[in-house]
Amino acid sequence: ETGVTQTPRHLVMGMTNKKSLKCEQHLGHNAMYWYKQSAKKPLELMFVYNFKEQTENNSVPSRFSPECPNSSHLFLHLHTLQPEDSALYLCASSHNRGVYEQYFGPGTRLTVT
Amino acid sequence: TQLLEQSPQFLSIQEGENLTVYCNSSSVFSSLQWYRQEPGEGPVLLVTVVTGGEVKKLKRLTFQFGDARKDSSLHITAAQPGDTGLYLCAGESGAGSYQLTFGKGTKLSVIP
Repeated sequence: ETGVTQTPRHLVMGMTNKKSLKCEQHLGHNAMYWYKQSAKKPLELMFVYNFKEQTENNSVPSRFSPECPNSSHLFLHLHTLQPEDSALYLCASSHNRGVYEQYFGPGTRLTVT
Repeated sequence: TQLLEQSPQFLSIQEGENLTVYCNSSSVFSSLQWYRQEPGEGPVLLVTVVTGGEVKKLKRLTFQFGDARKDSSLHITAAQPGDTGLYLCAGESGAGSYQLTFGKGTKLSVIP
């Protein structure tokens, strides 16, 4: 398996559910990212991890909880979401020096009902 | 806050036509990346430009980084239906942050 993978690809959850999104990269990168992509908005960076340490948290509500157990895996734990959280959630990875070319996974299409 | 403005927002052209899309900012970027995203998929990196005035070619796609490293353009020659997608530019500030600033994208439709 190559590149950046994400599971599940589609997720429908109620506002009281708890679910997790998973991301895995096979590129030997040390930095990993979570983005939210909504219609008519630019990609919104949510979290950045470098060598498993969180380096960026762009004022994301606490109902989104990231976890990075190692440089290859990244999780986004979801609980008590709102309908406006419905979006495409993208994971990306990059080297942590030089030019930060980011490689994206296919995304998880999340619908909150 | 750094912003990247992309234009046009939407573009619909016939197969075989040429087109140019633009990515502009008032801020200087240490590098700029172009991605193409298809519906329901993640963005795919096309190219990275680093040097002011740099021109890179990828088959029928030509990318240029402005001399002042504040803007970039993507020119497609003889567009094909497979070029359809959302084209995103993203700038790296180079200030030690991992963050990329993304534009809203240009949605291109190439009609057979």
